[in-house]
Amino acid sequence: DAGVTQSPTHLIKTRGQHVTLRCSPISGHKSVSWYQQVLGQGPQFIFQYYEKEERGRGNFPDRFSARQFPNYSSELNVNALLLGDSALYLCASSFTGAESPLHFGNGTRLTVT
Amino acid sequence: DAKTTQPPSMDCAEGRAANLPCNHSTISGNEYVYWYRQIHSQGPQYIIHGLKNNETNEMASLIITEDRKSSTLILPHATLRDTAVYYCIVKGAAGNKLTFGGGTRVLVKP
Repeated sequence: DAGVTQSPTHLIKTRGQHVTLRCSPISGHKSVSWYQQVLGQGPQFIFQYYEKEERGRGNFPDRFSARQFPNYSSELNVNALLLGDSALYLCASSFTGAESPLHFGNGTRLTVT
Repeated sequence: DAKTTQPPSMDCAEGRAANLPCNHSTISGNEYVYWYRQIHSQGPQYIIHGLKNNETNEMASLIITEDRKSSTLILPHATLRDTAVYYCIVKGAAGNKLTFGGGTRVLVKP
């Protein structure tokens, strides 16, 4: 079975630009979450989406936004990129059951220069 | 969600059992204990989770103390491919927010 897929795998952007990262969840999973992992730290929660609605948001500025599509895939958008946005961006999907574990993709490595 | 405390690192001999401890003394009655691991340059991999009973799957066993204030992840026969950072996370039933701490960096040695 295909796991969570993310694209692109690597990306280099310049300060001030914007970026769109994409995620396809595991088949049957309706909930998608996004995490940011800066080098040397654990992942930090950015967003959760379920049924195309935002269900949770972490402590990130408004430059970060996301959406979920009818097929449950998702996009993460980051505007006005800063050097500090350089990180591994992880997408995770899950069933909607209360204790359903999250399953992560291998992420998009974003480098801002 | 309750905070967890894990040792920063530990070594394990290949073929031996690896016992990874985790303290979560402020865990609430409806919070689950989840274990993930992250191998370099990959996304976190789900291992196992539990509420209050011990759990076992093809990857590992999870032992939760009766008072639920601590747990142990057991990798029964560690291999070199088990070298990773292991995260113990406590999460409530609602929402998908996992709060990752520093984890335990496990090095399996031949």
